[in-house]
Amino acid sequence: GESVGLHLPTLSVQEGDNSIINCAYSNSASDYFIWYKQESGKGPQFIIDIRSNMDKRQGQRVTVLLNKTVKHLSLQIAATQPGDSAVYFCAENDDYKLSFGAGTTVTVRA
Amino acid sequence: NAGVTQTPKFRILKIGQSMTLQCTQDMNHNYMYWYRQDPGMGLKLIYYSVGAGITDKGEVPNGYNVSRSTTEDFPLRLELAAPSQTSVYFCASSYGAGGVTTQYFGPGTRLTVL
Repeated sequence: GESVGLHLPTLSVQEGDNSIINCAYSNSASDYFIWYKQESGKGPQFIIDIRSNMDKRQGQRVTVLLNKTVKHLSLQIAATQPGDSAVYFCAENDDYKLSFGAGTTVTVRA
Repeated sequence: NAGVTQTPKFRILKIGQSMTLQCTQDMNHNYMYWYRQDPGMGLKLIYYSVGAGITDKGEVPNGYNVSRSTTEDFPLRLELAAPSQTSVYFCASSYGAGGVTTQYFGPGTRLTVL
């Protein structure tokens, strides 16, 4: 079965609000996690990554939080914009390959 | 740099036909990967390669074959296409091992088997 999963398959958010996308993983030995964004008809695009020796990492308008105690990962998007509408995947390293969850579809309302 | 390129973008096959999906990267990455993505699902690894001449099976290799004769190219071969292979196929590459470095993805090939 899948070792990486997302709590909710869809998320609707008002433009300008903050978005939080959640992901649970089951492999406690995983030490590297990535968030990808996939727009319709395109391949996944790297957003941000985090290693297990960190619990928070910030990028431009995005923050990833890692809670190893409960094996939970989240992606926060500040001031969500229409261009943020996409499917978001978390991925964890599985040996030296990546294992992907099913994705959360984010829709931004004007 | 073009990054990771894939051809064709779309293809319709009849059951039992064969085809090769092409993937090329110009980033001099050692690691390359093939994934399939079914509707509403995440990506599943089909095959991967850690360098020219070296390939290995991923999670769902049945019905597929790969080769890696050069660093740049990593074609995926479908033999005897089946409806279950209808999917979107993504090729990816990374500088180091996929678990510790970012994978860069191509735009995908949408395949329908009828």
